[in-house]
Amino acid sequence: QVQIQQWGAGVLKPSETLSLTCAVHGGSFSDFYWTWVRQPPGKGLEWIGEMHHSGHTKYNPSLKSRVTMSKDTSENQLSLELRSVTAADTAVYYCARVVEEMDDAFDIWGPGTTVLVSS
Amino acid sequence: QSVLTQPPSTSGSPGQRVTISCSGGDSDVRINVVTWYKQRPGTAPQLLIYSTNKRPSGVPDRFSGSKSGASASLSISALQSEDEADYFCAAWDANLMAPLFGGGTRLTVL
Repeated sequence: QVQIQQWGAGVLKPSETLSLTCAVHGGSFSDFYWTWVRQPPGKGLEWIGEMHHSGHTKYNPSLKSRVTMSKDTSENQLSLELRSVTAADTAVYYCARVVEEMDDAFDIWGPGTTVLVSS
Repeated sequence: QSVLTQPPSTSGSPGQRVTISCSGGDSDVRINVVTWYKQRPGTAPQLLIYSTNKRPSGVPDRFSGSKSGASASLSISALQSEDEADYFCAAWDANLMAPLFGGGTRLTVL
């Protein structure tokens, strides 16, 4: 049973850097792609980016200049960094597994980490 | 950020059938598969339909997906109270080179 644990700073000031981590327990980490998705309060979902087995990353063009994703395969962990945050970055941030055999559907999601950007 | 178009809300009574639409364009829904997610308040989304019309293990066959042109649909038959949730569609956008999500449809079971 694959489970995802997430953690990171919940309150940031404008211009600071958001830093989140998710850890995968109970399943293969290296055999899958992993993605980050966020959801502003009361709004829909927005894809942030994904990390491939090889370490190759793809980012949402609208966030690309501020985002870095990385992974630690030895710890089965994925990290997200988003620089120069503003109030518009306030959201619940989810880590999820991407399944290529399901046409890249996100089949397992973490519980989410709430991030508030406020001065 | 462009989004796929979904009705903000819909409702139905237990036992009824409801359909949720997802409208996109030539660079997303028309040419790529559609995925549907269900999200209950305060919880993470869960995969409901992938590859436009396939159900993951554990999803009842009351849920079905389809697509015609640049529009996709999620149908839920024999509506149950536990179906009350937000439903999101998603499709890869070939221009943006990113997956797009719909704005979400809140289903209320009356």
